[in-house]
Amino acid sequence: SQTIHQWPATLVQPVGSPLSLECTVEGTSNPNLYWYRQAAGRGLQLLFYSVGIGQISSEVPQNLSASRPQDRQFILSSKKLLLSDSGFYLCAWSLTGGTLESFFGQGTRLTVV
Amino acid sequence: AQKITQTQPGMFVQEKEAVTLDCTYDTSDPSYGLFWYKQPSSGEMIFLIYQGSYDQQNATEGRYSLNFQKARKSANLVISASQLGDYAMYFCAMRVLYSSASKIIFGSGTRLSIRP
Repeated sequence: SQTIHQWPATLVQPVGSPLSLECTVEGTSNPNLYWYRQAAGRGLQLLFYSVGIGQISSEVPQNLSASRPQDRQFILSSKKLLLSDSGFYLCAWSLTGGTLESFFGQGTRLTVV
Repeated sequence: AQKITQTQPGMFVQEKEAVTLDCTYDTSDPSYGLFWYKQPSSGEMIFLIYQGSYDQQNATEGRYSLNFQKARKSANLVISASQLGDYAMYFCAMRVLYSSASKIIFGSGTRLSIRP
């Protein structure tokens, strides 16, 4: 069966520090991968999605970047965090066919101080 | 442009009663899928139900059903026999196909509270 791992679960980082959040998927090949951010009490904002290795689409210009070095690995990064980067970050994957539902990781709660 | 709209920031329902959470969508793509997710306080996103744009019948999954009205571009979630464990944020989402890519967009969510 397919599983998705996202870590760390919580993170407190100072302003100006770098960020690296990792997400890996097991049990499937060539998934679509997504990074979402959710501000407190708000909906999910799509940040990046990827349909293949090295292919990244950015939805919102911002202080963050994403990379997909391997088929089932998706990384969210920042060189210098801002206070406004605080939020709940969710990684998700979906197949390219079938019911097309997305499966989510457990999320990372990032607090920039 | 594709868009999902949830106009109810919060809803209350009496335990054991049914409740309808509203969702409208906008897309010019003839092929799309509509989803509902539940997010409890723990933060995880739980998939509830799916409706394809070409499906003739409304989707049902246990106590969840999706009232799909294609002409009105609405995909409301109906939860029957509400339980205390239904307390959560509920998100409507849509998957659209754009070129060779595929992305899923979410509405702003509805907080469902249960009155015992």
